[in-house]
Amino acid sequence: NAGVTQTPKFQVLKTGQSMTLQCAQDMNHEYMSWYRQDPGMGLRLIHYSVGAGITDQGEVPNGYNVSRSTTEDFPLRLLSAAPSQTSVYFCASSYSLENTEAFFGQGTRLTVV
Amino acid sequence: AQKITQTQPGMFVQEKEAVTLDCTYDTSDPSYGLFWYKQPSSGEMIFLIYQGSYDQQNATEGRYSLNFQKARKSANLVISASQLGDSAMYFCAMRPRASKIIFGSGTRLSIRP
Repeated sequence: NAGVTQTPKFQVLKTGQSMTLQCAQDMNHEYMSWYRQDPGMGLRLIHYSVGAGITDQGEVPNGYNVSRSTTEDFPLRLLSAAPSQTSVYFCASSYSLENTEAFFGQGTRLTVV
Repeated sequence: AQKITQTQPGMFVQEKEAVTLDCTYDTSDPSYGLFWYKQPSSGEMIFLIYQGSYDQQNATEGRYSLNFQKARKSANLVISASQLGDSAMYFCAMRPRASKIIFGSGTRLSIRP
């Protein structure tokens, strides 16, 4: 059981480049989400999804796009990378919309130069 | 507005002592879940304990217990008999029913030998 898998683990981008962070879960979870964690800070919600075909914005959505075409996958797209997007990105999923804990991926450390 | 507040940026505790990490929350939803996560220096997010808003008893998981005071909107984590391996960042999180999970800014706990 792989759980939540994020790829890549590390990435360096140049300003203006675009890329997609991948997130996949094999637990048939309805809820998936993306967070960013800046040094010494908590997790801020970027986007989330309550099921295939449904996405919504979190507190810091600007500069990011998501889609949820399948239950398993929830990719995060950086449209035009900026140094302010240097961060650690976590993908998380949970079984249902009710009060169940979220399972996290290992994180992607992104540096934009 | 939904909000999680952790007022202790950092704490130092002597090994084998008990420690309480504070968390207060704000939500208008009558049904919600409260969570605590541990993030060691390796970076992964580890789920520790869950408390539902309608649970009559405080949650416990081994050395972890959650001191839930609903009227005060507080959900403090208590770690009994602290160990060196408990040194980490600790995050409090809340999930109103059928909605997104939001996190506090975290508390860095350091255990002294």
